[in-house]
Amino acid sequence: GAVVSQHPSRVICKSGTSVKIECRSLDFQATTMFWYRQFPKQSLMLMATSNEGSKATYEQGVEKDKFLINHASLTLSTLTVTSAHPEDSSFYICSATPDGAGGSYNSPLHFGNGTRLTVT
Amino acid sequence: QKEVEQNSGPLSVPEGAIASLNCTYSDRGSQSFFWYRQYSGKSPELIMFIYSNGDKEDGRFTAQLNKASQYVSLLIRDSQPSDSATYLCAVNSWMDSSYKLIFGSGTRLLVRP
Repeated sequence: GAVVSQHPSRVICKSGTSVKIECRSLDFQATTMFWYRQFPKQSLMLMATSNEGSKATYEQGVEKDKFLINHASLTLSTLTVTSAHPEDSSFYICSATPDGAGGSYNSPLHFGNGTRLTVT
Repeated sequence: QKEVEQNSGPLSVPEGAIASLNCTYSDRGSQSFFWYRQYSGKSPELIMFIYSNGDKEDGRFTAQLNKASQYVSLLIRDSQPSDSATYLCAVNSWMDSSYKLIFGSGTRLLVRP
């Protein structure tokens, strides 16, 4: 159980275009989902917390107008990288924990397979 | 700034040996600790979690937690070449009115056949 699906797995786009990444919890509901970014040979950095039915919470230094998050249902969150630039090239990973499992306090996060974004 | 520290490695062990991976954290209030394994180019997968001081065993894996020393470790017995990966320590910390999972930079493990 607790499967998180992320799509696409890989995307190449031109500078200035926008890219949307989908994250779905397949067998559980998740009021909250988390978006991480990982640059080569670095650890995962939390970008934002996606909340169903309300605004996302962004970490310090993450531009909310550039990284648009929509959490339209209890099983779907999307991250849109707007006007992408080469420096946005990275590995984007979403994660979630099932509702009712104790919340993010002590429940393990389940990760999607990630999206490798390359901006040319 | 709440931090999670790991030795980047690589930690090289022969097949069949015990691999010991260590992690320290700065937030004394943290209550939940997780170990993830990440193969190159893949997303992390959960190996174990531990909440209480002491040892927790699951198959070849043992997690050890010492909250007084702010130290958590992962032991891998009978290491296999397929265990070669980066191991991420993650700690739940209260930040900005919510709990967030903070990751260490990871330790790269290499198991030699």
